[in-house]
Amino acid sequence: GAVVSQHPSRVICKSGTSVKIECRSLDFQATTMFWYRQFPKQSLMLMATSNEGSKATYEQGVEKDKFLINHASLTLSTLTVTSAHPEDSSFYICSALAGTSYNEQFFGPGTRLTVL
Amino acid sequence: KQEVTQIPAALSVPEGENLVLNCSFTDSAIYNLQWFRQDPGKGLTSLLLIQSSQREQTSGRLNASLDKSSGRSTLYIAASQPGDSATYLCAVCSGNTGKLIFGQGTTLQVKP
Repeated sequence: GAVVSQHPSRVICKSGTSVKIECRSLDFQATTMFWYRQFPKQSLMLMATSNEGSKATYEQGVEKDKFLINHASLTLSTLTVTSAHPEDSSFYICSALAGTSYNEQFFGPGTRLTVL
Repeated sequence: KQEVTQIPAALSVPEGENLVLNCSFTDSAIYNLQWFRQDPGKGLTSLLLIQSSQREQTSGRLNASLDKSSGRSTLYIAASQPGDSATYLCAVCSGNTGKLIFGQGTTLQVKP
């Protein structure tokens, strides 16, 4: 199956710093990627849709200036958490749309962000 | 607004037992439905994808069914093994945008 990677897998940072998370589709091109957030023992919440070459589409309640998304190539989308605070601590997961006729998504392994 | 519900939230069974996980959704106008597995602290592994025109999909010991009219899907796991212990997530895609709406998941424990 298609492989999606995320980097870093784990990051700990001080409050006020910015953190960039990369999502890569390793063996296929993805014009569309998605970013999710998952709190402990809860399900995934869609944050935004990342479209190659255009602005991301954010879900209601997600601050676009807080969570900057860039999809500069067909294999890479980045999520930057700006001026991170402890409440931003979470598990961030990306997925990539494989472009098949049935819209199958493949997920990255996730990034654990801890803001001190 | 599409809502996805999974029952039960947690399930513990002895090894070898057959089991059924349930997923329901409020809007029957779906594009596809996917079942995923998530191990603690890990990402998601896709198990089965059922297109809106299909009624079921099978992979090994797993069988997923879809009844759009009643807004339900089930994931059947045959001859469960301790390695099946994980959280199982159901997700519905309601349009061709690819956006998925997830249920809360069922955490399965298979005891040796």
